[in-house]
Amino acid sequence: AQSVAQPEDQVNVAEGNPLTVKCTYSVSGNPYLFWYVQYPNRGLQFLLKYITGDNLVKGSYGFEAEFNKSQTSFHLKKPSALVSDSALYFCAVRSNTNAGKSTFGDGTTLTVKP
Amino acid sequence: EAQVTQNPRYLITVTGKKLTVTCSQNMNHEYMSWYRQDPGLGLRQIYYSMNVEVTDKGDVPEGYKVSRKEKRNFPLILESPSPNQTSLYFCASSLFRQDTGELFFGEGSRLTVL
Repeated sequence: AQSVAQPEDQVNVAEGNPLTVKCTYSVSGNPYLFWYVQYPNRGLQFLLKYITGDNLVKGSYGFEAEFNKSQTSFHLKKPSALVSDSALYFCAVRSNTNAGKSTFGDGTTLTVKP
Repeated sequence: EAQVTQNPRYLITVTGKKLTVTCSQNMNHEYMSWYRQDPGLGLRQIYYSMNVEVTDKGDVPEGYKVSRKEKRNFPLILESPSPNQTSLYFCASSLFRQDTGELFFGEGSRLTVL
């Protein structure tokens, strides 16, 4: 069975400071990793993904994430947070052995204070 | 405009009254999937479909049915809704290739079963 853990329910940062939202995963086969963001009363929006290749992937709105195979992690990062980044963030995993199944973490609420 | 459309967006119903939540995408995506979102539980996959006439169970399929007779549509059927199916439901679609795979989500359907 595959799983995703987002160990922090809530992350608080000050505007302009770097942010990190953590994600670890467990999956059989090669992982396909994704980050999505959800704003209030909206559907989820894709931010970035790791399929293969460079471990550091860049995505929308200045976000990036680093794939670490040995630590089975895929943490989301941004060098300088904006108040408008405040939202609910989900990490998700699929795999090459069962690409139809998507498993999401429980989500992390990011709050960026002015 | 590329989109995933769900209807209804909001529904209050009573136990045992059959209902269908429709989902339609205009991106010619092969893959479609249904999720439910509950506080503290993230998104859990209900059913998915890799292509027309191909469907498979996700993690929480009990009490739900789906069909995929056309590529663009993937309705979710609750034959006899119960209060524990009160939730926020999301439909999503994606191209099913190794180098893509990110999900496009609808805006959600909030269902209350009394």
